Amino acid sequence: TQLLEQSPQFLSIQEGENLTVYCNSSSVFSSLQWYRQEPGEGPVLLVTVVTGGEVKKLKRLTFQFGDARKDSSLHITAAQPGDTGLYLCAGAVGTSNTGKLIFGQGTTLQVKP
Amino acid sequence: NAGVTQTPKFQVLKTGQSMTLQCAQDMNHEYMSWYRQDPGMGLRLIHYSVGAGITDQGEVPNGYNVSRSTTEDFPLRLLSAAPSQTSVYFCASRRAGYFPQETQYFGPGTRLLVL
Repeated sequence: TQLLEQSPQFLSIQEGENLTVYCNSSSVFSSLQWYRQEPGEGPVLLVTVVTGGEVKKLKRLTFQFGDARKDSSLHITAAQPGDTGLYLCAGAVGTSNTGKLIFGQGTTLQVKP
Repeated sequence: NAGVTQTPKFQVLKTGQSMTLQCAQDMNHEYMSWYRQDPGMGLRLIHYSVGAGITDQGEVPNGYNVSRSTTEDFPLRLLSAAPSQTSVYFCASRRAGYFPQETQYFGPGTRLLVL
């Protein structure tokens, strides 16, 4: 069974602080996706990283895929209250159309003004 | 485009009752799937379909049935509801491209409480 361990599970910080969320596994993934979920809504894709060592930036968010394609991190610089939400990582298993996503448990982020 | 829509938004069932959760997408996506989300467990795949007439089991299929008669619709049936099926259910769809790089679109979810 492939597992993705996400840490921390909960994070409460003040506006302006930096934070990093980690997503770790002993399995290799074809890609790693990060989603953000607001209360009462479905997850929305933020980014997909595909190549080992790849770094992608989305405004104040920086995503990195580990060299061995087993882990990933999400770093937020100068967090704002609008960043509050549930962040989910998901590893892609397989490359064919029947490929599946394995989700981490999620990190609940609260940014206080 | 409405994207992925789900009905109902909320449902309360008694143990043993049956019901169907509806899911529809208007993006002509070949792949559709159902997940359940429970606290501290992320999203777990229940069933999926790669096209009309083709379905397969995911990680937690027991107690659920699916069928796919059209590209647009992918209903999830609970045959005899149990309290363990209390959860938030999400439907998702994506194109049948190179899977690792395809965007998966999620519906808004159905909150189900089984008493």
